[in-house]
Amino acid sequence: DQQVKQNSPSLSVQEGRISILNCDYTNSMFDYFLWYKKYPAEGPTFLISISSIKDKNEDGRFTVFLNKSAKHLSLHIVPSQPGDSAVYFCAASGVYNQGGKLIFGQGTELSVKP
Amino acid sequence: KAGVTQTPRYLIKTRGQQVTLSCSPISGHRSVSWYQQTPGQGLQFLFEYFSETQRNKGNFPGRFSGRQFSNSRSEMNVSTLELGDSALYLCASSLVLGAEAFFGQGTRLTVV
Repeated sequence: DQQVKQNSPSLSVQEGRISILNCDYTNSMFDYFLWYKKYPAEGPTFLISISSIKDKNEDGRFTVFLNKSAKHLSLHIVPSQPGDSAVYFCAASGVYNQGGKLIFGQGTELSVKP
Repeated sequence: KAGVTQTPRYLIKTRGQQVTLSCSPISGHRSVSWYQQTPGQGLQFLFEYFSETQRNKGNFPGRFSGRQFSNSRSEMNVSTLELGDSALYLCASSLVLGAEAFFGQGTRLTVV
């Protein structure tokens, strides 16, 4: 039972355009969501997070949107740069009943072409 | 500020052996979690420690164990290694339970 799903294994975008990465979840007890970027053979790098009491959080070129009724979140990267090429993971936790345990999606490989 | 440090970076072990991996969290962080990454299963939660106590455990056999010391450093141990234990093992630290987790570079374990 996969509680966090990233249905697109890969995404290709032109430099300067918007990248939109999507994530769906099934567990309504999740109340904290995070996005990580990962290069091969390295640990994930934290990008941005959002609490379930918000529907949007912005940090520079990165914006995360949360739609609780649809159990869906998305990461927007504007403008996309070649250095953004990596695997992006969304993760969820239920802080009040699961502590810091993160449930990860399977990842989406983003390729930004010059 | 130094990040999360994991040692060793690479390890090759034989089936049936045991292995101990080490993690030093970011200074001041008291929560340490461990994850296993494999191509087939993705990133899976192993366990989480806070103030030297295991707070949460993932769905892994008892061969996987861990501990946390009073300085927040953590170790995980895998006994009776199997080929399927070959993976990237990642440690993450956070200030408190449920805060943003910051990951180390990982330990690549290969079981032959």
